Amino acid sequence: DTAVSQTPKYLVTQMGNDKSIKCEQNLGHDTMYWYKQDSKKFLKIMFSYNNKELIINETVPNRFSPKSPDKAHLNLHINSLELGDSAVYFCASSQGAGVNSNQPQHFGDGTRLSIL
Amino acid sequence: SQQGEEDPQALSIQEGENATMNCSYKTSINNLQWYRQNSGRGLVHLILIRSNEREKHSGRLRVTLDTSKKSSSLLITASRAADTASYFCATGTTPLVFGKGTRLSVIA
Repeated sequence: DTAVSQTPKYLVTQMGNDKSIKCEQNLGHDTMYWYKQDSKKFLKIMFSYNNKELIINETVPNRFSPKSPDKAHLNLHINSLELGDSAVYFCASSQGAGVNSNQPQHFGDGTRLSIL
Repeated sequence: SQQGEEDPQALSIQEGENATMNCSYKTSINNLQWYRQNSGRGLVHLILIRSNEREKHSGRLRVTLDTSKKSSSLLITASRAADTASYFCATGTTPLVFGKGTRLSVIA
């Protein structure tokens, strides 16, 4: 069974559109994350939620809005997509309350977003 | 700014050889983690070493941590073609900060 699953795996869309990426984890973890990986493989955290509550919001344009309906799900909605948004977006989860960086993170396989 | 920096950026070895990757970081940490990323896949956690540990083993993996030099190394012994991947260190700060990775190619 997939532990952290993201949909869709590929997303190709026009500049200016709005799109959503969904993430679900079946590990019973309390904390979930969104990361962006650019073309040079640099992985940067965007958001983190603990038990549906936003706890990390890095310097990310407010066109990006995360939503966590329950602690097993963390979705990412992006408004007015721009060329620079092209990247691979990874969802991850970890055990523990709060941003517990002492715990390993479990990653999904990513959503490859391409803006035309 | 970015915390972990891996070195080298790319490494190509023959199957059976050992591969060593290094990671340097700038500030105090609680722990340091190593992850592997196969092409087109998400990151997979390999090993976590705490700041009060100096060495840790897991199968063919050996990780060392030198907090005085703010550096860590990952050694993969008897490498296999299946070890071909990118390897990232991540420092246990809040939030977890990843380096840019070392691309390892193991040639059969």
